[in-house]
Amino acid sequence: DTGVSQNPRHKITKRGQNVTFRCDPISEHNRLYWYRQTLGQGPEFLTYFQNEAQLEKSRLLSDRFSAERPKGSFSTLEIQRTEQGDSAMYLCASSSGYSQPQHFGDGTRLSIL
Amino acid sequence: DAKTTQPNSMESNEEEPVHLPCNHSTISGTDYIHWYRQLPSQGPEYVIHGLTSNVNNRMASLAIAEDRKSSTLILHRATLRDAAVYYCILEETSGSRLTFGEGTQLTVNP
Repeated sequence: DTGVSQNPRHKITKRGQNVTFRCDPISEHNRLYWYRQTLGQGPEFLTYFQNEAQLEKSRLLSDRFSAERPKGSFSTLEIQRTEQGDSAMYLCASSSGYSQPQHFGDGTRLSIL
Repeated sequence: DAKTTQPNSMESNEEEPVHLPCNHSTISGTDYIHWYRQLPSQGPEYVIHGLTSNVNNRMASLAIAEDRKSSTLILHRATLRDAAVYYCILEETSGSRLTFGEGTQLTVNP
């Protein structure tokens, strides 16, 4: 079990640029989740995949955000035309099913200049 | 989303037991109770979860009230490495999202 891996760990970009984050879940986990966390707050759910199907999206996920999980393996989260308010820690988690623990990566910290 | 209520902060001394409370009066019969903790600059770490019965694992114990409207996470002997934000979360039947609150900041004094 190598754990959930997220890359990059830190991304600094200018407002208006596009960014993409990658998440590699635990290999046998069919569920993958994205969360966003701002300073002093708990993580907020963004979206959830079961295998390659995106089954749920939060209202927080505006049309500038898109997530994919091709072939049900790794996932990418893209933010287009970044805004100051997008600055946050983006966390990925995976699990083997309902009622099972979610295993989190250490996140990608996005800073918008 | 079913809600939980936790104290903002708690303090403990090293090597003493810690009881972290959580109220969830709107819990439904099929909601699981999960506890996670988060250290600075790290993602949340799973601690323990349960449905109705008390649960034990190598990290902690979870005591669930008979009416399931509250639960307590028990760290049997706190260490400095247990200092973290502890989140009590209800996982609803839909089984997708975890809804985090603000959690309890646990400080462990040497």
